[in-house]
Formats: sequence, structure tokens, C-alpha cells
Amino acid sequence: SQKIEQNSEALNIQEGKTATLTCNYTNYSPAYLQWYRQDPGRGPVFLLLIRENEKEKRKERLKVTFDTTLKQSLFHITASQPADSATYLCALDRGRGSTLGRLYFGRGTQLTVWP
Amino acid sequence: GAGVSQSPSNKVTEKGKDVELRCDPISGHTALYWYRQSLGQGLEFLIYFQGNSAPDKSGLPSDRFSAERTGGSVSTLTIQRTQQEDSAVYLCASSARLGYEQYFGPGTRLTVT
Repeated sequence: SQKIEQNSEALNIQEGKTATLTCNYTNYSPAYLQWYRQDPGRGPVFLLLIRENEKEKRKERLKVTFDTTLKQSLFHITASQPADSATYLCALDRGRGSTLGRLYFGRGTQLTVWP
Repeated sequence: GAGVSQSPSNKVTEKGKDVELRCDPISGHTALYWYRQSLGQGLEFLIYFQGNSAPDKSGLPSDRFSAERTGGSVSTLTIQRTQQEDSAVYLCASSARLGYEQYFGPGTRLTVT
């Protein structure tokens, strides 16, 4: 079965720095990889989706990379702000046949940005 | 509606009782998903519906769990004879199509005493 590991349970950085979160997976490579943000007591909120044939995708201060050789995705938040503090989830979609749309989630990394 | 809604937001039930959890997806979204998030655990896929196709039930943990989606819109997740290990937050999500980003509701926190 697919195993997804996110680098650490918690990451603390100073405001203005770049936060880098890691998502590693085993077994098959996903067709799609997604990143979500989850605040306490709320459902996850979609941030970015990257496809297996894409190396990098950006959205404002966010950047995602996808390395199918390393079986790894990196999620970067540049110029981090205290409002970026949340849990960030990596999710994989195998994207093939009957499993298309079924997301496998990592446990998340809790990011704290301090002033 | 503006987003995915779920009801109730909290549910406390006694062991052995049946519960029904409701999800209203975003209008026009053809795919609907149910997940479970236990304390300290990642989201666990339970079931999804896509259009009029038969649902993918492969994530349901036991035959006490079932779900239906009526009219391609509202979905109900039913847990029969609840057990304490069923205590978790149950999240519903919808997407325009399979493989697209998913929009989550706020979840239903289920506590089985």
C-alpha cells in the first residue's frame, strides 16, 4: 500500500523566512499530488495541485516541486507570515482507473511562524 | 451554497446506537468523498461517489458503515451499532470531477461514549 511521510510533525520558523515542507512517498508514483492547509477545527483547504509531468508550480508565495525519481514533493512558503501558521497536508492521487480521485493523505506538518 | 456543508457539527452517541451524518456538496460538483480523521492521524479515505457510477466503497472499515447519495447531490453516511473506535471527525469533500482539487466541509465530530 502507499505510504506517505511528511518530514516532521512540527516546523517553527521566523517571520519572513522561507518554510520548506517535505512529502515523501513509497511504491507507485501518483499522477497528481496536492497540498492542503488545515486550521484547527476546520476542514482542509486546497492550495496547489501538481501533475506527474510537471516539475514545479507556483501560486503567489507558494511553490511546489515534484520529483518522481526521488519520490518527493517539496512545498515552499516564501516570506512567511504568522497567518501561515497551520497544518499542511500532502495528498496523492494515483490517478489511474478505479482509484482516480481517491486521495491518500500524509499526517501533516504543523507550521508555526513566529514574529 | 458557497461551500460544502455538513450536519450535525457535533454528535455524541452511546455505543451501539446508529448515527447518520449529512453532507451537502457544492452545487454542480459531480464527485463527493467521505474521509475520517482520528486524533493525531491523517485523513483516511472511506468512500466516493462520481456521477451516476457505482460508489467506490473500498475504504469503508466495516459493514457497519454505509453511504448513499441521492439525486446526485446530498449524501448521508450511516454508521450502525457505533463503537468507541468510530469516534473521529468525519469530513466530506466535493470536486468538479475526479482528479480535481477537493473542497472540504467543516466536518462532523462524532463521539461514541
